[in-house]
Amino acid sequence: GAVVSQHPSWVICKSGTSVKIECRSLDFQATTMFWYRQFPKQSLMLMATSNEGSKATYEQGVEKDKFLINHASLTLSTLTVTSAHPEDSSFYICSARVSGGINEQYFGPGTRLTVT
Amino acid sequence: AQTVTQSQPEMSVQEAETVTLSCTYDTSESDYYLFWYKQPPSRQMILVIRQEAYKQQNATENRFSVNFQKAAKSFSLKISDSQLGDAAMYFCAYRTLNNDMRFGAGTRLTVKP
Repeated sequence: GAVVSQHPSWVICKSGTSVKIECRSLDFQATTMFWYRQFPKQSLMLMATSNEGSKATYEQGVEKDKFLINHASLTLSTLTVTSAHPEDSSFYICSARVSGGINEQYFGPGTRLTVT
Repeated sequence: AQTVTQSQPEMSVQEAETVTLSCTYDTSESDYYLFWYKQPPSRQMILVIRQEAYKQQNATENRFSVNFQKAAKSFSLKISDSQLGDAAMYFCAYRTLNNDMRFGAGTRLTVKP
Protein backbone atom coordinates (compact mmCIF):
# COMPACT_ATOMS: atom_id res chain seq x y z
CA GLY A 1 0.00 0.00 0.00
CA ALA A 2 0.86 3.66 -0.23
CA VAL A 3 3.20 5.13 2.38
CA VAL A 4 2.95 8.44 4.18
CA SER A 5 5.89 9.64 6.23
CA GLN A 6 6.14 12.32 8.88
CA HIS A 7 9.18 14.11 10.16
CA PRO A 8 10.13 14.43 12.90
CA SER A 9 8.53 11.54 14.76
CA TRP A 10 8.91 13.47 17.98
CA VAL A 11 10.06 16.94 18.90
CA ILE A 12 10.57 18.92 22.08
CA CYS A 13 10.58 22.69 21.85
CA LYS A 14 10.57 25.59 24.24
CA SER A 15 7.53 27.73 24.80
CA GLY A 16 7.40 30.63 22.38
CA THR A 17 9.33 28.94 19.59
CA SER A 18 7.96 27.56 16.34
CA VAL A 19 8.20 24.02 15.07
CA LYS A 20 7.58 22.59 11.62
CA ILE A 21 6.25 19.10 10.91
CA GLU A 22 6.56 17.60 7.44
CA CYS A 23 4.20 15.12 5.84
CA ARG A 24 5.20 13.34 2.65
CA SER A 25 3.44 10.88 0.39
CA LEU A 26 6.31 8.65 -0.67
CA ASP A 27 4.95 6.70 -3.63
CA PHE A 28 1.87 8.57 -4.75
CA GLN A 29 0.63 12.06 -5.43
CA ALA A 30 -1.77 13.51 -2.93
CA THR A 31 -3.95 16.37 -4.08
CA THR A 32 -5.45 16.58 -0.60
CA MET A 33 -3.81 16.20 2.76
CA PHE A 34 -5.37 16.33 6.20
CA TRP A 35 -3.94 17.25 9.58
CA TYR A 36 -5.34 15.69 12.73
CA ARG A 37 -4.59 16.28 16.37
CA GLN A 38 -4.92 13.58 19.00
CA PHE A 39 -4.79 14.15 22.74
CA PRO A 40 -3.97 11.22 25.05
CA LYS A 41 -6.73 8.62 25.15
CA GLN A 42 -8.86 10.63 22.75
CA SER A 43 -9.88 10.37 19.15
CA LEU A 44 -8.42 12.09 16.12
CA MET A 45 -9.76 15.57 15.59
CA LEU A 46 -9.47 17.12 12.16
CA MET A 47 -7.61 20.42 12.24
CA ALA A 48 -7.46 21.35 8.59
CA THR A 49 -7.67 20.15 5.02
CA SER A 50 -5.12 21.29 2.48
CA ASN A 51 -5.21 21.05 -1.28
CA GLU A 52 -2.06 21.40 -3.34
CA GLY A 53 -1.50 25.00 -4.33
CA SER A 54 -4.44 26.34 -2.33
CA LYS A 55 -4.96 27.78 1.10
CA ALA A 56 -5.86 25.28 3.78
CA THR A 57 -9.38 25.02 5.11
CA TYR A 58 -9.42 25.04 8.90
CA GLU A 59 -11.97 23.44 11.17
CA GLN A 60 -13.94 25.63 13.51
CA GLY A 61 -11.94 26.53 16.58
CA VAL A 62 -8.53 25.93 15.00
CA GLU A 63 -6.39 29.06 14.90
CA LYS A 64 -5.10 29.45 11.36
CA ASP A 65 -2.45 31.95 12.42
CA LYS A 66 -1.10 29.53 14.97
CA PHE A 67 -1.18 26.38 12.88
CA LEU A 68 0.24 27.31 9.50
CA ILE A 69 -0.28 24.73 6.79
CA ASN A 70 1.51 24.75 3.45
CA HIS A 71 0.81 22.22 0.72
CA ALA A 72 3.40 23.29 -1.79
CA SER A 73 3.58 20.14 -3.87
CA LEU A 74 1.65 16.96 -4.55
CA THR A 75 3.87 15.03 -2.16
CA LEU A 76 4.56 17.46 0.67
CA SER A 77 2.50 19.30 3.25
CA THR A 78 3.88 21.07 6.30
CA LEU A 79 2.32 22.09 9.58
CA THR A 80 4.05 24.86 11.49
CA VAL A 81 3.05 25.45 15.09
CA THR A 82 3.94 29.08 15.74
CA SER A 83 4.73 30.51 19.16
CA ALA A 84 4.11 27.12 20.73
CA HIS A 85 2.75 26.82 24.24
CA PRO A 86 2.50 23.80 26.54
CA GLU A 87 -1.17 23.36 25.65
CA ASP A 88 -0.09 22.71 22.05
CA SER A 89 1.63 19.54 23.22
CA SER A 90 -0.13 16.73 21.43
CA PHE A 91 0.17 14.01 18.81
CA TYR A 92 -0.21 15.32 15.27
CA ILE A 93 -1.15 12.95 12.46
CA CYS A 94 -1.24 13.75 8.77
CA SER A 95 -3.18 11.87 6.16
CA ALA A 96 -2.93 11.96 2.38
CA ARG A 97 -5.65 11.14 -0.11
CA VAL A 98 -5.17 9.52 -3.48
CA SER A 99 -7.37 10.89 -6.24
CA GLY A 100 -9.32 8.35 -8.23
CA GLY A 101 -11.32 5.26 -7.39
CA ILE A 102 -12.59 5.58 -3.87
CA ASN A 103 -10.06 8.30 -3.04
CA GLU A 104 -8.23 6.12 -0.56
CA GLN A 105 -6.79 7.92 2.46
CA TYR A 106 -3.50 6.92 4.06
CA PHE A 107 -2.13 7.95 7.44
CA GLY A 108 1.32 8.96 8.54
CA PRO A 109 2.90 7.58 11.72
CA GLY A 110 2.34 10.80 13.65
CA THR A 111 4.52 13.36 15.38
CA ARG A 112 4.63 13.79 19.12
CA LEU A 113 5.11 17.44 20.06
CA THR A 114 6.10 18.40 23.58
CA VAL A 115 6.34 22.08 24.46
CA THR A 116 8.23 22.86 27.65
CA ALA B 1 -23.06 17.18 10.19
CA GLN B 2 -21.97 13.61 10.15
CA THR B 3 -21.25 12.05 13.52
CA VAL B 4 -19.81 8.72 14.53
CA THR B 5 -20.62 7.19 17.91
CA GLN B 6 -18.79 4.41 19.67
CA SER B 7 -20.63 3.66 22.89
CA GLN B 8 -18.08 1.25 24.35
CA PRO B 9 -15.02 3.08 25.74
CA GLU B 10 -13.45 -0.23 26.75
CA MET B 11 -13.95 -3.85 25.88
CA SER B 12 -12.25 -7.01 27.02
CA VAL B 13 -12.05 -10.43 25.43
CA GLN B 14 -10.41 -13.72 26.27
CA GLU B 15 -7.78 -14.91 23.85
CA ALA B 16 -9.31 -17.09 21.11
CA GLU B 17 -12.79 -15.79 21.85
CA THR B 18 -14.95 -13.48 19.76
CA VAL B 19 -15.72 -9.84 20.48
CA THR B 20 -17.95 -7.28 18.80
CA LEU B 21 -17.31 -3.54 18.82
CA SER B 22 -20.25 -1.25 18.18
CA CYS B 23 -20.49 1.84 16.02
CA THR B 24 -23.38 3.98 14.89
CA TYR B 25 -23.31 6.99 12.63
CA ASP B 26 -25.54 9.76 11.47
CA THR B 27 -25.68 10.99 7.90
CA SER B 28 -28.08 12.22 5.28
CA GLU B 29 -25.89 10.93 2.46
CA SER B 30 -26.72 7.78 0.53
CA ASP B 31 -23.23 7.03 -0.74
CA TYR B 32 -20.37 6.86 1.75
CA TYR B 33 -17.66 4.68 3.21
CA LEU B 34 -17.20 3.23 6.65
CA PHE B 35 -13.96 2.08 8.20
CA TRP B 36 -12.52 0.42 11.23
CA TYR B 37 -9.00 1.49 12.15
CA LYS B 38 -6.71 -0.07 14.72
CA GLN B 39 -4.30 2.13 16.64
CA PRO B 40 -1.71 0.15 18.61
CA PRO B 41 0.63 1.79 21.15
CA SER B 42 2.85 2.92 18.27
CA ARG B 43 -0.03 5.28 17.34
CA GLN B 44 0.15 4.29 13.66
CA MET B 45 -3.35 4.10 12.23
CA ILE B 46 -3.90 0.71 10.60
CA LEU B 47 -6.86 0.07 8.35
CA VAL B 48 -8.67 -3.04 9.51
CA ILE B 49 -11.65 -3.14 7.20
CA ARG B 50 -13.64 -0.97 4.83
CA GLN B 51 -17.30 -1.05 3.79
CA GLU B 52 -18.83 0.77 0.86
CA ALA B 53 -22.39 1.81 1.68
CA TYR B 54 -23.73 0.77 -1.71
CA LYS B 55 -22.63 -2.81 -1.12
CA GLN B 56 -25.12 -4.96 0.72
CA GLN B 57 -22.63 -7.69 1.46
CA ASN B 58 -20.76 -7.31 4.72
CA ALA B 59 -17.01 -6.86 4.36
CA THR B 60 -14.70 -9.55 5.69
CA GLU B 61 -10.94 -9.60 6.18
CA ASN B 62 -9.71 -12.87 7.66
CA ARG B 63 -10.72 -12.82 11.36
CA PHE B 64 -12.39 -9.42 11.04
CA SER B 65 -15.90 -8.94 9.75
CA VAL B 66 -18.53 -6.27 9.95
CA ASN B 67 -22.27 -6.20 10.42
CA PHE B 68 -23.43 -3.28 8.31
CA GLN B 69 -27.02 -2.26 8.83
CA LYS B 70 -27.59 0.74 6.54
CA ALA B 71 -31.14 1.51 7.59
CA ALA B 72 -30.17 1.44 11.24
CA LYS B 73 -26.91 3.29 10.51
CA SER B 74 -24.99 0.69 12.41
CA PHE B 75 -21.54 -0.68 11.62
CA SER B 76 -20.17 -3.16 14.14
CA LEU B 77 -16.83 -4.99 13.99
CA LYS B 78 -16.52 -8.64 14.94
CA ILE B 79 -13.11 -10.02 15.79
CA SER B 80 -12.99 -13.80 15.82
CA ASP B 81 -10.32 -15.96 17.45
CA SER B 82 -8.93 -12.93 19.26
CA GLN B 83 -5.18 -12.73 19.54
CA LEU B 84 -2.95 -10.83 21.96
CA GLY B 85 -1.84 -8.64 19.07
CA ASP B 86 -5.39 -7.44 18.57
CA ALA B 87 -5.14 -5.37 21.73
CA ALA B 88 -5.34 -1.72 20.69
CA MET B 89 -7.63 1.27 20.29
CA TYR B 90 -10.20 0.74 17.58
CA PHE B 91 -11.76 3.69 15.79
CA CYS B 92 -14.84 3.62 13.63
CA ALA B 93 -14.74 6.20 10.84
CA TYR B 94 -16.97 7.62 8.14
CA ARG B 95 -16.44 9.63 5.03
CA THR B 96 -18.00 10.45 1.71
CA LEU B 97 -16.05 10.22 -1.54
CA ASN B 98 -14.60 13.72 -1.51
CA ASN B 99 -14.78 14.72 2.10
CA ASP B 100 -12.56 14.21 5.12
CA MET B 101 -12.74 11.26 7.46
CA ARG B 102 -14.57 11.59 10.77
CA PHE B 103 -13.80 9.35 13.70
CA GLY B 104 -15.66 7.97 16.66
CA ALA B 105 -14.29 8.32 20.18
CA GLY B 106 -12.66 4.91 20.07
CA THR B 107 -12.88 1.62 21.95
CA ARG B 108 -9.93 0.27 23.85
CA LEU B 109 -9.75 -3.48 23.41
CA THR B 110 -7.92 -5.62 25.93
CA VAL B 111 -7.15 -9.25 25.14
CA LYS B 112 -6.67 -11.52 28.15
CA PRO B 113 -4.34 -14.51 27.82
